[in-house]
Amino acid sequence: GAVVSQHPSRVICKSGTSVKIECRSLDFQATTMFWYRQFPKQSLMLMATSNEGSKATYEQGVEKDKFLINHASLTLSTLTVTSAHPEDSSFYICSARVGGVVGEQYFGPGTRLTVT
Amino acid sequence: KQEVTQIPAALSVPEGENLVLNCSFTDSAIYNLQWFRQDPGKGLTSLLLIQSSQREQTSGRLNASLDKSSGRSTLYIAASQPGDSATYLCAVSLDSSYKLIFGSGTRLLVRP
Repeated sequence: GAVVSQHPSRVICKSGTSVKIECRSLDFQATTMFWYRQFPKQSLMLMATSNEGSKATYEQGVEKDKFLINHASLTLSTLTVTSAHPEDSSFYICSARVGGVVGEQYFGPGTRLTVT
Repeated sequence: KQEVTQIPAALSVPEGENLVLNCSFTDSAIYNLQWFRQDPGKGLTSLLLIQSSQREQTSGRLNASLDKSSGRSTLYIAASQPGDSATYLCAVSLDSSYKLIFGSGTRLLVRP
């Protein structure tokens, strides 16, 4: 089956620093990748849509200069949280979409970010 | 604006029971609907995907139905097992962009 990995699985950083999270599709080429954020006991909220070779599309209320997304290849997208603050602490999950009519999405295991 | 609601928020049942989880959405113009399972601190596992033209999908002990006109979907779990304990999320996609709008989930506990 389709597998999506994320790295790191957990990261703790100090306030003001930047953190990069990688999302990889391991056995398929993903035409589109999505980045979600999940706060404790809440559901997933879409942050941005990432298409290979083009700029990411951000959802309303998500700061594109704070959450930098790079989709350099059909198997890798990265999310960089710049100048992180404690309120950015959250569970970040990516998904990768297989092209085609059905377009099922496969989700990564998530990255727990804690900003101290 | 599309909103997705899941009821109940939490459910505790004894092993062996059949159960139904509910999902409702405010705008019936959806592209498809998916049910996911999320274990604590983990990512999502896709359970069932129903296209807008379909009425239901089945996989093993799981059956999901879709009634677009009423804005409802149900996930039926037969003969529940402790291993089914998890949070179940439904999500709708509005168009071919496949961006998903998630409900808040139902936390299921199946007691041995």
